[in-house]
Amino acid sequence: DAGVIQSPRHEVTEMGQEVTLRCKPISGHNSLFWYRQTMMRGLELLIYFNNNVPIDDSGMPEDRFSAKMPNASFSTLKIQPSEPRDSAVYFCASRYGQLYEQYFGPGTRLTVT
Amino acid sequence: QKEVEQNSGPLSVPEGAIASLNCTYSDRGSQSFFWYRQYSGKSPELIMSIYSNGDKEDGRFTAQLNKASQYVSLLIRDSQPSDSATYLCAVISGGYQKVTFGIGTKLQVIP
Repeated sequence: DAGVIQSPRHEVTEMGQEVTLRCKPISGHNSLFWYRQTMMRGLELLIYFNNNVPIDDSGMPEDRFSAKMPNASFSTLKIQPSEPRDSAVYFCASRYGQLYEQYFGPGTRLTVT
Repeated sequence: QKEVEQNSGPLSVPEGAIASLNCTYSDRGSQSFFWYRQYSGKSPELIMSIYSNGDKEDGRFTAQLNKASQYVSLLIRDSQPSDSATYLCAVISGGYQKVTFGIGTKLQVIP
């Protein structure tokens, strides 16, 4: 079975540009999570969807960040405008059921110069 | 108080020894508990899940859960250099079944 798929794997962009990260969850999974990981702050939950509906977006740092899940097999995380402090690895994860384990994608390493 | 606490380490153990990793959590109503392993530059990989008090064994790994004391631990027997990684504790709690991760403990197994 294919795991969680993320694209792009690496993104280098200039400050002020729009960045869009993409995620395809595991087929049949009904929850999707976006995380950001940095050395200083560890793994931070940005937003969590259940059945395509955003359930908890309290981790989204500011209005520059937005996420959508138009259907069960696709989600995007957008940063507009990007800033150097957004540089991090962004992970997408999915799970089946509310109490079960998540499976992570390979991540997108974002560098904003 | 952080919701999920781990010692960031590094924890150094000699090859063949038992590595003991600990995690405490603040929400007494937490329901599900997981250990993930993350190698440098890679994504977190699930190694153990535990849902009820007691021990759960899987090969060289044993997860232990004590809900009364609000801690969960991971024991790695016969530690190998390939076990050197960061181990993340994750807890599901709250009405939204939100997942919270600890900062992770870096384990170094010395040959």
